Amino acid sequence: GQNIDQPTEMTATEGAIVQINCTYQTSGFNGLFWYQQHAGEAPTFLSYNVLDGLEEKGRFSSFLSRSKGYSYLLLKELQMKDSASYLCAVIDTGGFKTIFGAGTRLFVKA
Amino acid sequence: NAGVMQNPRHLVRRRGQEARLRCSPMKGHSHVYWYRQLPEEGLKFMVYLQKENIIDESGMPKERFSAEFPKEGPSILRIQQVVRGDSAAYFCASSYLRRTGDPEAFFGQGTRLTVV
Repeated sequence: GQNIDQPTEMTATEGAIVQINCTYQTSGFNGLFWYQQHAGEAPTFLSYNVLDGLEEKGRFSSFLSRSKGYSYLLLKELQMKDSASYLCAVIDTGGFKTIFGAGTRLFVKA
Repeated sequence: NAGVMQNPRHLVRRRGQEARLRCSPMKGHSHVYWYRQLPEEGLKFMVYLQKENIIDESGMPKERFSAEFPKEGPSILRIQQVVRGDSAAYFCASSYLRRTGDPEAFFGQGTRLTVV
């Protein structure tokens, strides 16, 4: 079956670092995305990993371990505007279908 | 993502009516994906289309739902005889070329369908 798991909610303090984990079991794997989605808005692309390791992009980094079916999104120097849902998604075999997790709602407090 | 245009942004339909959701992909993009998002849930893949072709519709309900992407004009997601359970946000995404590993990075703002 296809399954992507991520925590439902997380809370962190402004200026801190937070790590959002994602584990997946899919029939195939052709890459993993992280998207940010503010309430009532469209998802916005954050990162894409297809090889093992860490990809860094400013305050955001994403890590992938294909053998463990595991990824995380690391957000540094948290800002209030980072309060949003973070969606982990995997491209299935053949590259046609993207399977999304339910998302992690991050609350950043002052 | 402002380049992917969806309309209407909000749509209210009575049970039994038809809903038509439109998606104009970014200029130069010939691949379109439709997703449904229920409140408090993640996005669920529905269908992947190229111009004049349905490539993968494994996420589409078997009845009442159809999608097309004609040679000219926007992609249309059509829901016939809507029911309350169809109330959701419907997102469209587009990409230039679907190669293995290319992310569909661009989403439209979505159409929020409410069935009353």
